[in-house]
Amino acid sequence: GAVVSQHPSRVICKSGTSVKIECRSLDFQATTMFWYRQFPKKSLMLMATSNEGSKATYEQGVEKDKFLINHASLTLSTLTVTSAHPEDSSFYICSARDEDWNTEAFFGQGTRLTVV
Amino acid sequence: GEDVEQSLFLSVREGDSSVINCTYTDSSSTYLYWYKQEPGAGLQLLTYIFSNMDMKQDQRLTVLLNKKDKHLSLRIADTQTGDSAIYFCAERETSYDKVIFGPGTSLSVIP
Repeated sequence: GAVVSQHPSRVICKSGTSVKIECRSLDFQATTMFWYRQFPKKSLMLMATSNEGSKATYEQGVEKDKFLINHASLTLSTLTVTSAHPEDSSFYICSARDEDWNTEAFFGQGTRLTVV
Repeated sequence: GEDVEQSLFLSVREGDSSVINCTYTDSSSTYLYWYKQEPGAGLQLLTYIFSNMDMKQDQRLTVLLNKKDKHLSLRIADTQTGDSAIYFCAERETSYDKVIFGPGTSLSVIP
């Protein structure tokens, strides 16, 4: 199956700093990527849909100035958590959909963000 | 709005069958998925079913879809300790091209 690589897998940052998380599709082109947030023992919450070459579509309640998404190429989307606070600590997961309207989206391995 | 529901916990003995149930609300769903998540890891797609199918079997996995009742189930035959994980049911909406996840069912397999 297709591979989606997410980096870093873990990051610890100080409160007030910004953190960038990368999501790459390694062997296919992804016009659409999705960013999710997962709280402990909870389901995945869709944060935004990232479309190559255009602005991301954010879900209701997600601050777009807080969670900056850039989808500059068909293989890379980035999520930047700006001015991170402890409540931003979470598990962030991306997924990427094949350009040919695949039946599935492939998930990265997730990034554990801890803000101290 | 769209909603996907699952029971949160399931415990079975090794060798028995596990059945994880899911209900959804969006009748326009095109694909329904089952994902597996092991601790600290991302999601692994186990199987999916197209909305015009009733059943799909893949080795130890059997997916049943009752579209009328909007009910989806995943049966794992001969459950092993390595099957212990959280299983997410998800639906893909046609109109908004996004996948909505259920809360996940934590499966515990007792040796």
